[in-house]
Order: sequence, then C-alpha cells, then structure tokens
Amino acid sequence: SQQGEEDPQALSIQEGENATMNCSYKTSINNLQWYRQNSGRGLVHLILIRSNEREKHSGRLRVTLDTSKKSSSLLITASRAADTASYFCATRSQAGTALIFGKGTTLSVSS
Amino acid sequence: EADIYQTPRYLVIGTGKKITLECSQTMGHDKMYWYQQDPGMELHLIHYSYGVNSTEKGDLSSESTVSRIRTEHFPLTLESARPSHTSQYLCASSESRTQGNTIYFGEGSWLTVV
Repeated sequence: SQQGEEDPQALSIQEGENATMNCSYKTSINNLQWYRQNSGRGLVHLILIRSNEREKHSGRLRVTLDTSKKSSSLLITASRAADTASYFCATRSQAGTALIFGKGTTLSVSS
Repeated sequence: EADIYQTPRYLVIGTGKKITLECSQTMGHDKMYWYQQDPGMELHLIHYSYGVNSTEKGDLSSESTVSRIRTEHFPLTLESARPSHTSQYLCASSESRTQGNTIYFGEGSWLTVV
C-alpha cells in the first residue's frame, strides 16, 4: 500500500508563478523527502525534512511538514520551464527499511 | 551527482527470454534497491539489499530475482520475460550512516517485452 499521496496529480502554470504540491501520508515517519523526476529519467533528491522540523528552505524550494495532519507541502517559487517534471514525496517510517513513494505530481511550466 | 549506472537503458525482447538488468554504483553504498515504475505511475519497491549476500523482497511482488555478490553490483534477472513485465526499472542506493537515508537513483532501464 502506498504511504504517500500527492495532490494535485497534475499542475500547469506559467513561468514566474509559484507551484504548490501537497503530500499526505499514513503512518508515523522519521523524515519526509521530496524527489524530482524528469520524463524518462531517474529520480533526483531535492530536500529532506525531519519529523521534528516544520519548515525547510533550499533555494527556490520551501517544504513544510505538519505531523499532526500527516501532510507536507512543496512550494517552488518563481517557477521556470526547466522545473517541468514529476515531483514525488517519499517517507520512511520509524521502523521502515526503504523509502516509500507517492504517485507524484506532474508539473508543467510554460514560458 | 550520483554515481550509479544502469544498463541497458532500453531493451525490447521477446516473450520467454531471460534478461538481466545491470546496476552498479561507485559510492560504496551498502544499501541498494530496485523499484518498478509504470509510465506516469508511482514507484514500487520490488527488491532491496542491506549488503553483500543480503537480499529481500519489497512491497510489490515480482517474478524477478536479484543477487548481491559485490557491494557495488546489484543485478536484476527475469528468467522468462512476459509482456506483463514491461515497465521501467529503477536501481538506487543509499548509505546507512547518512542521516535520512537519501536515495540516489540510476537513470532507469526501460524494458519492453513483446
């Protein structure tokens, strides 16, 4: 069974706009990670937020975590066409072995 | 930049053939994984390994098998390929001592069974 569920499934925006993706998960976690996947390629790690953190920034990325709601959001500010990709959240439970990925949000940024 | 390599990137084979997807990493990571991903869908963990001579099945049942004879090498084998095995297979690795267990992925192997 999937641990994470991203929302929306697909998002289309114009360059310069902000993109927000949400992720919900089911069990208690140790940390939550966001990955990016360009079409037909492998995944690339973007950012990790630990269960005792509420917000984290990395460049144009801002991640929040609400463990009481079992949810996280990824905000990409001032989006660029090169941000077009699928974005996945991944969680690792406190007793877990490998990361479990959600279904992903497909982001399309048009210039 | 991740140093994890998969070959072949693309493979089209006939039903019943035996295939091996190769995966190698040069980062000295002890943990390695195989995920299966259909186009536009989520990733499913099918195999993982904590080290040499250690292999475990993942959450998604798979007819494939894996071996881990060397730290850097984690090949996946299908003894008799079927059209239902058509998918993208992603190899990944991570280091136990790294906080958060960040995973590094290869570029993927696209398998089509006709």
